[in-house]
Amino acid sequence: AQSVTQLDSQVPVFEEAPVELRCNYSSSVSVYLFWYVQYPNQGLQLLLKYLSGSTLVESINGFEAEFNKSQTSFHLRKPSVHISDTAEYFCAVTSPRTQGAQKLVFGQGTRLTINP
Amino acid sequence: DGGITQSPKYLFRKEGQNVTLSCEQNLNHDAMYWYRQDPGQGLRLIYYSQIVNDFQKGDIAEGYSVSREKKESFPLTVTSAQKNPTAFYLCASSMLNNYGYTFGSGTRLTVV
Repeated sequence: AQSVTQLDSQVPVFEEAPVELRCNYSSSVSVYLFWYVQYPNQGLQLLLKYLSGSTLVESINGFEAEFNKSQTSFHLRKPSVHISDTAEYFCAVTSPRTQGAQKLVFGQGTRLTINP
Repeated sequence: DGGITQSPKYLFRKEGQNVTLSCEQNLNHDAMYWYRQDPGQGLRLIYYSQIVNDFQKGDIAEGYSVSREKKESFPLTVTSAQKNPTAFYLCASSMLNNYGYTFGSGTRLTVV
């Protein structure tokens, strides 16, 4: 069985400050990892994903995450946040060995609040 | 534009009543999923379907039922057997063996 732990339920930061949202996973098999973002009363949008290759993956809006197999982590970072980054962020995991429907296991979510 | 449509956006139900949440997609995706979202608990899988007329239970299927009579549609019924149905319900779809989910905008169900 796989599981995801997001270590912080809420992260408040000031605008233009750096931020790190932490994600650790547990799995007995190889993994694919994802970060999703959710704005209030909306569905989730894919922010970035790690499937293979470079362990550092980037999104188009300045976020990046690094897959660390030895520490079973996939932390999300941004060097300078904007007010518009205020949202809830979810880390998710699945296994490349899964055939057919790709069931994602989600973490509990981290609410990122940007203060002016 | 292709996407997933969930309706209604807000739904109120009296205790003891069944209610059906709609999910329609025009992405030609084979797989569809229902997740439940509660504050501080993330998303939990209720049911999923890989093909028409076939579906499997997720982690919290008790008190819910689904059908998949058409590729485009995957309605979720919240029955009176669900002890705590008030939550935000999210529908998603994907191609088989593809790791990209598309989510709907959700239905917020409140039991009154």
